[in-house]
Amino acid sequence: EDQVTQSPEALRLQEGESSSLNCSYTVSGLRGLFWYRQDPGKGPEFLFTLYSAGEEKEKERLKATLTKKESFLHITAPKPEDSATYLCASNTGFQKLVFGTGTRLLVSP
Amino acid sequence: GAVVSQHPSRVICKSGTSVKIECRSLDFQATTMFWYRQFPKQSLMLMATSNEGSKATYEQGVEKDKFLINHASLTLSTLTVTSAHPEDSSFYICSAGRGGGDYGYTFGSGTRLTVV
Repeated sequence: EDQVTQSPEALRLQEGESSSLNCSYTVSGLRGLFWYRQDPGKGPEFLFTLYSAGEEKEKERLKATLTKKESFLHITAPKPEDSATYLCASNTGFQKLVFGTGTRLLVSP
Repeated sequence: GAVVSQHPSRVICKSGTSVKIECRSLDFQATTMFWYRQFPKQSLMLMATSNEGSKATYEQGVEKDKFLINHASLTLSTLTVTSAHPEDSSFYICSAGRGGGDYGYTFGSGTRLTVV
């Protein structure tokens, strides 16, 4: 069974304190690893798609990387507005996404 | 680009009644849309895949007679929760994609359903 596991469940950072979120996946035939940001009461907002081991993508303070078994979302010098739940998901075919349970990030000023 | 609009954002209904949720792709055509359900502090669980012009495909354990899906056009899919009960209270989210890729899959803003 395809599974996506995220850690930590929750993370509290001080503004400017860099860290990484982890997403481990066990899927048969990965067709894309997705990162989303979700604010309370809203739908997920697309951040990145990664396809192959070694691939990296960046957007402002965020950088996503991919290995054969996991993906990391690195947050450099976070700001309070980066506080949200970050979800990763794998595309296992037929456009179906399997989501992890997310990491709730809180950045304090 | 790739905007998905979902309506209503919140709805409260009485037990036993039905509720319809709409999902529209505003600036692209979506032959496939997806309906998810999310419980508090839990992840998104795929309920069904909505296919334009044909029957929806439901995930295991999802009652097709309770969650009716209609995808009558390339820009509109609807989810009707029939004979709603309090346990159906949840956050329902739709998504659509232009094949994924660097556009990802665009999600609607979600509908908070409360059954009283």
